[in-house]
Amino acid sequence: GDSVTQMEGPVTLSEEAFLTINCTYTATGYPSLFWYVQYPGEGLQLLLKATKADDKGSNKGFEATYRKETTSFHLEKGSVQVSDSAVYFCALIHTGGFKTIFGAGTRLFVKA
Amino acid sequence: EAGVAQSPRYKIIEKRQSVAFWCNPISGHATLYWYQQILGQGPKLLIQFQNNGVVDDSQLPKDRFSAERLKGVDSTLKIQPAKLEDSAVYLCASSLVTGRGNTEAFFGQGTRLTVV
Repeated sequence: GDSVTQMEGPVTLSEEAFLTINCTYTATGYPSLFWYVQYPGEGLQLLLKATKADDKGSNKGFEATYRKETTSFHLEKGSVQVSDSAVYFCALIHTGGFKTIFGAGTRLFVKA
Repeated sequence: EAGVAQSPRYKIIEKRQSVAFWCNPISGHATLYWYQQILGQGPKLLIQFQNNGVVDDSQLPKDRFSAERLKGVDSTLKIQPAKLEDSAVYLCASSLVTGRGNTEAFFGQGTRLTVV
């Protein structure tokens, strides 16, 4: 079945460092891909999305490119801030599907 | 646009008691989800509705959990009787249905349940 695999955390970075959180997926066809962010005590918020191969989703300085050849959707940010400390979830919806499949999440700590 | 509303935000109960959570999805969203998120883990889908019909409840512990979505809008999730391992955040989400299936899910703030 469809699945999402994320790099294990926690990831600890200093402020202004470069961030990469790896995400790979297994799915037939052409799923839509998402990154969600969860701040402490909050629900999940959609951060960015891409619905077809080679699409780049971006928001708040974060970017991710839908790579079908490597079945990946890695999250990147050029310069992280303390306020980016949160848990990040990669997710997919299979084309014509009805269920969002989530990865296990990657916790990010950013130190001042 | 109003988001997904959930209540209560927090609930503490003793084991073997019952509890109910309420969710009001974004207006016009046909699909409604209940997820269970145990501390340190990703969300696990418990049940998914499309309008007032159940699409997927394969991971719902039906001996103690129940959910309904009367009239295809609001939904309630009930646990009776609760166990210690039910301590988690219960997230409600909703999404639009298009010709290509569901769009991205929008989440409420969740209800944090502690069973003591």
